[in-house]
Amino acid sequence: DQQVKQNSPSLSVQEGRISILNCDYTNSMFDYFLWYKKYPAEGPTFLISISSIKDKNEDGRFTVFLNKSAKHLSLHIVPSQPGDSAVYFCAASAHSGGGADGLTFGKGTHLIIQP
Amino acid sequence: DGGITQSPKYLFRKEGQNVTLSCEQNLNHDAMYWYRQDPGQGLRLIYYSQIVNDFQKGDIAEGYSVSREKKESFPLTVTSAQKNPTAFYLCASTPGNTYNEQFFGPGTRLTVL
Repeated sequence: DQQVKQNSPSLSVQEGRISILNCDYTNSMFDYFLWYKKYPAEGPTFLISISSIKDKNEDGRFTVFLNKSAKHLSLHIVPSQPGDSAVYFCAASAHSGGGADGLTFGKGTHLIIQP
Repeated sequence: DGGITQSPKYLFRKEGQNVTLSCEQNLNHDAMYWYRQDPGQGLRLIYYSQIVNDFQKGDIAEGYSVSREKKESFPLTVTSAQKNPTAFYLCASTPGNTYNEQFFGPGTRLTVL
């Protein structure tokens, strides 16, 4: 059963507009969430993260929102640029004993920025 | 210039052969990870190691083995017991403390013929 779900396989957004990527999770033990950007045949690149003690984290054009009661997070990209076209993965982690276990990933959303 | 290296970028093997994928990092990170990506899928955790000489199974460890004899290195062996080994393999590392992002290598595309 998928613990991290990205229900939109693809999303098309016009350049300059806002891109909103959504992610849902089911495991209540997750306490740290990350977004990664990935190009084909390359490793994922870290974008932004959020701890479960916060509900918002902002870094330049990227903002992540966390709604713990709904077990939902979203990534906002404003304004969207052509270079943002990539697959975006939502990931979650549960920290037991102080160490970092592996990440649980969603299946990804392919963001396409149209000129 | 710090980072994670994986070699080779592309690897071809005949069915029934074991193959070892290399992962090296010079970031002085304690924890290292192996993931597998299949088309249209997210990354799935194979094995991880939080300290030298210790490692744990991830979600899909069957048919794989690892070692962690040095902090910098975490090789993954894909054995003949792995039923569907053709995939994109990604190695990652993190300082090992809580709430740190994982840094990924460029990946190795393994094709079993």
